[in-house]
Amino acid sequence: EVQLVESGGGLVQPGRSMKLSCAASGFTFSNYGMAWVRQAPTKGLEWVATISYDGSSTYYRDSVKGRFTISRDNAKSTLYLQMNSLRSEDTATYYCTSWFAYWGQGTLVTVSS
Amino acid sequence: DIQMTQSPSSLPASLGDRVTITCRASQDIGNYLRWFQQKPGKSPRLMIYGATNLAAGVPSRFSGSRSGSDYSLTINSLESEDMAIYYCLQHNEYPLTFGSGTKLEIK
Repeated sequence: EVQLVESGGGLVQPGRSMKLSCAASGFTFSNYGMAWVRQAPTKGLEWVATISYDGSSTYYRDSVKGRFTISRDNAKSTLYLQMNSLRSEDTATYYCTSWFAYWGQGTLVTVSS
Repeated sequence: DIQMTQSPSSLPASLGDRVTITCRASQDIGNYLRWFQQKPGKSPRLMIYGATNLAAGVPSRFSGSRSGSDYSLTINSLESEDMAIYYCLQHNEYPLTFGSGTKLEIK
């Protein structure tokens, strides 16, 4: 059974940093591109970042470029999202997804003073 | 950026109805279009990939189609478990973009 389990969310002050993790199991993690998608409270889905199967290519939405870094450790079957200089508008539930076929349960990030 | 214009935003329907949700792409995306279902408090679920292909485990009353730049999700014979928000996603070009969502609710 495919499982994606996010962790690392919580309350953080504006301007601070936070790192999300997504532990994958049930499939060959190193074969798949991965992505982070977020959803602000009561809002729609928003793509955040994508990383290729081997980590050689990464893509970001403009609003997070230069602040967020997506990475992966294929030996640990884990996806990461390092978020720096957080803003109130980054408040959302963050989902990891294996190329949009399987999704984690999400982790809530709240940016507030 | 490619805009995905999704309609309607809200769709009241009765059990047993046939309903259609549409996304219009502002540029060519080929068949790089997916549909997702999201229920309250839950993660999105893949329903359709490649514009017309049913994802594993999805009931056959769901179908996807394409006409030019218009992509549609059709549900035949609505069941109560289908009440949810549906989103389209284009993954032909970065930045990837979702439609704004369609809330399917009981009339």
